Amino acid sequence: NAGVTQTPKFRVLKTGQSMTLLCAQDMNHEYMYWYRQDPGMGLRLIHYSVGEGTTAKGEVPDGYNVSRLKKQNFLLGLESAAPSQTSVYFCASRPGAGAVDEQYFGPGTRLTVT
Amino acid sequence: RKEVEQDPGPFNVPEGATVAFNCTYSNSASQSFFWYRQDCRKEPKLLMSVYSSGNEDGRFTAQLNRASQYISLLIRDSKLSDSATYLCVVNVYGGSQGNLIFGKGTKLSVKP
Repeated sequence: NAGVTQTPKFRVLKTGQSMTLLCAQDMNHEYMYWYRQDPGMGLRLIHYSVGEGTTAKGEVPDGYNVSRLKKQNFLLGLESAAPSQTSVYFCASRPGAGAVDEQYFGPGTRLTVT
Repeated sequence: RKEVEQDPGPFNVPEGATVAFNCTYSNSASQSFFWYRQDCRKEPKLLMSVYSSGNEDGRFTAQLNRASQYISLLIRDSKLSDSATYLCVVNVYGGSQGNLIFGKGTKLSVKP
């Protein structure tokens, strides 16, 4: 049982390049999330999904797209990277939105855009 | 007013000290509450849930005051290994997202 895994762990992009971050969970969770974390800003929700085939915008969705074609995977895409997207990206999953449902995080992806 | 507010710290305390963190939330519809811990350059992990009656887990005690919309975390007999950032988290049940709302965290540094 690996929990939540993220690929890659580190990446350096040049402005304008594109990339996809992969999140996978093996806990059969319905809800999945993508956050970014910047110094002094805390965790900010980019996009989330409440089930396979569904996605929705979070607090800071601009410049990102997501897809949830399979229940266990949640992909985050950057079509044209910008230096402002330099950040640590965390994926997370929860069984549902119940009061006691713990949210599990992946180890993070450190992205630098030059 | 931010949805979940915390004192960012840092709190610098000696080993063995007792330290308390406070958190306020703005949405009175909030239904469940948690404290998460985040070590440097690591992902957040659940430390404990916060129940209405208050709850204790070893050296850690969490309290909830719904009337004041206030949550606290007390750490007794601090250890070096307690050094981390502590995130206050609120679940606004029934909201459009059913998502957890995270505070920005309070940094704790326990010194020898």
